[in-house]
Amino acid sequence: TQLLEQSPQFLSIQEGENLTVYCNSSSVFSSLQWYRQEPGEGPVLLVTVVTGGEVKKLKRLTFQFGDARKDSSLHITAAQPGDTGLYLCAGASSGTYKYIFGTGTRLKVLA
Amino acid sequence: DVKVTQSSRYLVKRTGEKVFLECVQDMDHENMFWYRQDPGLGLRLIYFSYDVKMKEKGDIPEGYSVSREKKERFSLILESASTNQTSMYLCASSLSPGLGASGYEQYFGPGTRLTVT
Repeated sequence: TQLLEQSPQFLSIQEGENLTVYCNSSSVFSSLQWYRQEPGEGPVLLVTVVTGGEVKKLKRLTFQFGDARKDSSLHITAAQPGDTGLYLCAGASSGTYKYIFGTGTRLKVLA
Repeated sequence: DVKVTQSSRYLVKRTGEKVFLECVQDMDHENMFWYRQDPGLGLRLIYFSYDVKMKEKGDIPEGYSVSREKKERFSLILESASTNQTSMYLCASSLSPGLGASGYEQYFGPGTRLTVT
């Protein structure tokens, strides 16, 4: 069974701080996605990475796919209260319809 | 604006009742999914459908069944609700990835919080 472990599980930081969330697996994925979920809503896609070593930036968010395509990280620079939410990574193998979701990181940014 | 809608945001049912959760998407997507979300466990796939009348079991199908009679609608059925099925249920849809492709986006509905008492 493929598993995706996220760390940390919970993170509470002050506005303006930087943080990194990790998503690790022993399995190789052909693509990996990051979602953010706000209370009372479904997850919304932030980014998809498909190439080992790939780095993508979305404003203050930087996503990296590991060289071996087994892990990924999400780095937030100068966090803002609007970044508060549950961050989920999800990995898929080539040609499959299914994504395996990580356990989630609940982030709270205090003003 | 793409949309996935779920029939109820909150639902309270009694043990043993038959429960229907409905999901509708307006994006003409081939694939539709039902997940349940529990604290510390992330999203776990119950069933998915890659075409009308086609379905495959996910990781936790026990106690659930699904129906997809039309492309835009995917229903999750709890044949006899039990307290351990109290959870948040999320429906999603996506395009089909195609052979060897990946990276398709899943669009999620707002979720149905089901409580079984």
